[in-house]
Amino acid sequence: GAGVSQSPRYKVAKRGQDVALRCDPISGHVSLFWYQQALGQGPEFLTYFQNEAQLDKSGLPSDRFFAERPEGSVSTLKIQRTQQEDSAVYLCASSLLARTDTQYFGPGTRLTVL
Amino acid sequence: AQRVTQPEKLLSVFKGAPVELKCNYSYSGSPELFWYVQYSRQRLQLLLRHISRESIKGFTADLNKGETSFHLKKPFAQEEDSAMYYCALTGQYNFNKFYFGSGTKLNVKP
Repeated sequence: GAGVSQSPRYKVAKRGQDVALRCDPISGHVSLFWYQQALGQGPEFLTYFQNEAQLDKSGLPSDRFFAERPEGSVSTLKIQRTQQEDSAVYLCASSLLARTDTQYFGPGTRLTVL
Repeated sequence: AQRVTQPEKLLSVFKGAPVELKCNYSYSGSPELFWYVQYSRQRLQLLLRHISRESIKGFTADLNKGETSFHLKKPFAQEEDSAMYYCALTGQYNFNKFYFGSGTKLNVKP
């Protein structure tokens, strides 16, 4: 079956623009994670959903970042008024269970803010 | 503070040589440790987790709570092992949040 997909794969935004990044997890997966990966670094946790409930958003760097998963499947990460420091690869991962489990990663969205 | 440290950014070995990728962690609870791997032009994928105690593609990793380490080892490296390796940590009972190290690039030379 299909794995985790993300769109767009690449996004260029001018500073100050709003962007929306989409994640389609594997069907039936309960858990969904968003990560930010800066160049040369490992993924940094942003937020976690269990079905439609956002149980942890402690990693969101500012109130310009917002994530939702309204029906417990597709998730969107929105960044308002983008800044240059938001440039990174944004990774989405899903896992079947609502406990520690294998995460399946998407290909990522590379965001470049000019 | 919760933290995962991978001290080597790059590790180069010859084919057939033993490999050890280092991972140290700091966690105030019961940790669960993982190794993820990213091959060239592929997505991040799970290699192994300490709780399953498996050997995957010849790699093993033992959780040493005394030294707070989870080093990844393979006795004989293969060229196809060349990839980026990330050590990751979460809690056994607080699994909402994962912490990743900054990664080690393994280059296996022919």
